[in-house]
Amino acid sequence: KAGVTQTPRYLIKTRGQQVTLSCSPISGHRSVSWYQQTPGQGLQFLFEYFSETQRNKGNFPGRFSGRQFSNSRSEMNVSTLELGDSALYLCASSLVASGGGTDTQYFGPGTRLTVL
Amino acid sequence: QKEVEQNSGPLSVPEGAIASLNCTYSDRGSQSFFWYRQYSGKSPELIMFIYSNGDKEDGRFTAQLNKASQYVSLLIRDSQPSDSATYLCAVKGDQAGTALIFGKGTTLSVSS
Repeated sequence: KAGVTQTPRYLIKTRGQQVTLSCSPISGHRSVSWYQQTPGQGLQFLFEYFSETQRNKGNFPGRFSGRQFSNSRSEMNVSTLELGDSALYLCASSLVASGGGTDTQYFGPGTRLTVL
Repeated sequence: QKEVEQNSGPLSVPEGAIASLNCTYSDRGSQSFFWYRQYSGKSPELIMFIYSNGDKEDGRFTAQLNKASQYVSLLIRDSQPSDSATYLCAVKGDQAGTALIFGKGTTLSVSS
């Protein structure tokens, strides 16, 4: 079974631009979570989508948004990019057969975003 | 503020030794506990998860959970140079949609 895929793998943008990142979960997985990883802050939760609905959101500004499509693929968007948005953006998918908290999350390879 | 604490290391052990990685968490409502391994420049890879108090073994890896002490650990037996990586502890509540809360990771270095 193919793993989680993310596109693009690398991205360079300038301040003020916006960016859209894409994530395709493992086949059959219905939940997609997004994380930001930086050397200083580690892995931080952005948001989680299940059945096209955002179920949970981390403590990030409104410039960060996302959505999920009917095929479970997800996108996240960052508007008005700032230098501090430079990070590895990771997507993780989980099965969520019953909606319980024990579902295991599997990570994609990430998108490395550099903001100049 | 839910927190997960790990000793950042680096933890250095010789090849063949046991590496012990520790993690404490603040939220008593946490129900699921995960260990991920992350090589430099790569994404986190799941090693194992544990839900119940006690030990859980998987090959050279053993996870230990003590909910009363809010403590989870990972033991790596017969450590190999290929085990050199950053190990991330993550905890999760029992509600649907709750996020994984990660520690900042412990860097393990296994010398040959």
